[in-house]
Amino acid sequence: GQQLNQSPQSMFIQEGEDVSMNCTSSSIFNTWLWYKQDPGEGPVLLIALYKAGELTSNGRLTAQFGITRKDSFLNISASIPSDVGIYFCAGQSRSGGSNYKLTFGKGTLLTVNP
Amino acid sequence: NAGVTQTPKFRILKIGQSMTLQCTQDMNHNYMYWYRQDPGMGLKLIYYSVGAGITDKGEVPNGYNVSRSTTEDFPLRLELAAPSQTSVYFCASSYLVSDTGELFFGEGSRLTVL
Repeated sequence: GQQLNQSPQSMFIQEGEDVSMNCTSSSIFNTWLWYKQDPGEGPVLLIALYKAGELTSNGRLTAQFGITRKDSFLNISASIPSDVGIYFCAGQSRSGGSNYKLTFGKGTLLTVNP
Repeated sequence: NAGVTQTPKFRILKIGQSMTLQCTQDMNHNYMYWYRQDPGMGLKLIYYSVGAGITDKGEVPNGYNVSRSTTEDFPLRLELAAPSQTSVYFCASSYLVSDTGELFFGEGSRLTVL
């Protein structure tokens, strides 16, 4: 099946620093999404990207849909302690009737030191 | 507005025991999903449903069963629990036309099989 390579696996940063994480795939996706999972909670959607080359911001978060449609990155600027959690990328392909399934990356565990 | 509700939140099973994880959503979503999350492994799709009476296997269905008798409920059953099923289980739902890729997740059910 489709696989996503998400990196880094974990990050330990100081409050105020910027963060960057990315996902790559051997397959093309029509939609890229970034979710965040707070400790003890389920994932919550942060940003959704629908077009190759699209750059979208949500507050301190910025994400881009790669031109090749096989990658995406997420940046967090001026990190704060509540940014702690696991960040997942997810790709959605609409081919073959699979438009209701997402493929998730393995996650990036972010720790922010106050 | 409750969203997606999972019960129980925690459970310990002995090898060979059976149990059902309950999931209900009050958003009138047609699509529902069960994922398992293992440390460092991301989210793996177990089963999904596109509507009442319709279910299908995901990536890792072995050892599990589901049913979808109503739009609201999507229980996951483990018939003969094995240590490999120790995991955190997430139920999720989405709109019928899920082009946005936004899944709404429950808070998770942590299952330990000893």
